[in-house]
Amino acid sequence: GENVEQHPSTLSVQEGDSAVIKCTYSDSASNYFPWYKQELGKGPQLIIDIRSNVGEKKDQRIAVTLNKTAKHFSLHITETQPEDSAVYFCAASRWDSNYQLIWGAGTKLIIKP
Amino acid sequence: EAQVTQNPRYLITVTGKKLTVTCSQNMNHEYMSWYRQDPGLGLRQIYYSMNVEVTDKGDVPEGYKVSRKEKRNFPLILESPSPNQTSLYFCASSSKGLAGSYEQYFGPGTRLTVT
Repeated sequence: GENVEQHPSTLSVQEGDSAVIKCTYSDSASNYFPWYKQELGKGPQLIIDIRSNVGEKKDQRIAVTLNKTAKHFSLHITETQPEDSAVYFCAASRWDSNYQLIWGAGTKLIIKP
Repeated sequence: EAQVTQNPRYLITVTGKKLTVTCSQNMNHEYMSWYRQDPGLGLRQIYYSMNVEVTDKGDVPEGYKVSRKEKRNFPLILESPSPNQTSLYFCASSSKGLAGSYEQYFGPGTRLTVT
């Protein structure tokens, strides 16, 4: 079955710098890749997603890139701010999976002032 | 306000004492799911439900039960809790979006401690 690996487990960056979190997946039939942000004491919340017919998607300071050949996708956060500190999860899903998401283990992002 | 609610938010109990964690969503979503979150292990799915009276096991179903008698509610039942079920639990719901993409909406979490 599908397996999603996420790296790094912890990432510390200076405020204003960029942060990149990477995920690899094993099932070439996966076609939907969301990213969720979990703030302290809250449930995860979708921040951006990408489908397999698109190579890149951007929403203000957040972007996601997808390399289908290599089976990896990445989250890019530019001009990081203190409110970006959180745990980020990647996930993957295939078209016939009936809502099922396979989750990465999460990355704790720390923004240093 | 569209939301997923869970109760209780915090629970401390003893081994073997049956408990239920409730989950309710007001978005008319077909799909509901329970996850547990443990350090270093991310989110692991316990059970999910595609619709009323339709439930299926996730990755870690042992020691848990669920039911889906109404579309909005999806309670998680621990018939005989054990210390290894100490964890942070999340309920989520979803509706199919365009062309296979969709968003899962998560509740605020239930912190369970079993002594």
